[in-house]
Amino acid sequence: GESVGLHLPTLSVQEGDNSIINCAYSNSASDYFIWYKQESGKGPQFIIDIRSNMDKRQGQRVTVLLNKTVKHLSLQIAATQPGDSAVYFCAENYAITGGGNKLTFGTGTQLKVEL
Amino acid sequence: NAGVMQNPRHLVRRRGQEARLRCSPVKGHSHVYWYRQLPEEGLKFMVYLQKENIIDESGMPKERFSAEFPKEGPSILRIQQVVRGDSAAYFCASSPLDRGGNTIYFGEGSWLTVV
Repeated sequence: GESVGLHLPTLSVQEGDNSIINCAYSNSASDYFIWYKQESGKGPQFIIDIRSNMDKRQGQRVTVLLNKTVKHLSLQIAATQPGDSAVYFCAENYAITGGGNKLTFGTGTQLKVEL
Repeated sequence: NAGVMQNPRHLVRRRGQEARLRCSPVKGHSHVYWYRQLPEEGLKFMVYLQKENIIDESGMPKERFSAEFPKEGPSILRIQQVVRGDSAAYFCASSPLDRGGNTIYFGEGSWLTVV
């Protein structure tokens, strides 16, 4: 069946270092891949997305890479800050009947930033 | 989290009681989604609604769970005869008519605890 999963459940980095969070997916029938950040007790917060016809997209301090050949997605955070500490989810988005979108989430990676 | 309002934020119910979770989407958004998050897991799609219509309920348990999005008022996720396994965070999301990963906004969630 379809699934979206993460390689590393916990990632610890030093403040100022770059972070790389990885994600594997198995279902190619999607139009977007999205990274969300979730802080404790809060809802998922959109970070960045990438269309399935792209292989790289950059935002402010974040870069998402998509490798469709091996069905792999990664999120790179530059100069990681304490405020980046959270759980990060990759999600696969595809259109469904009625004009809506269905998200399939991975299990998440806990990013811990050490001072 | 641009304006999706959920209440209550925290709810405690005894086994066998009913739980009602409410969601007001971002103003102007016509699509509402409910997701469930079990501890230490990613979010799982439950149901997609438009005004007065259930479009996709493929993620809803067959029994005890129901959802509605009436013409007036918030969307309601109703869980009858709750059991301990229903303890989870329930997130509502909304999006406008156009598709795209970055147009899905999540609320802060409703945390249900069944004792």
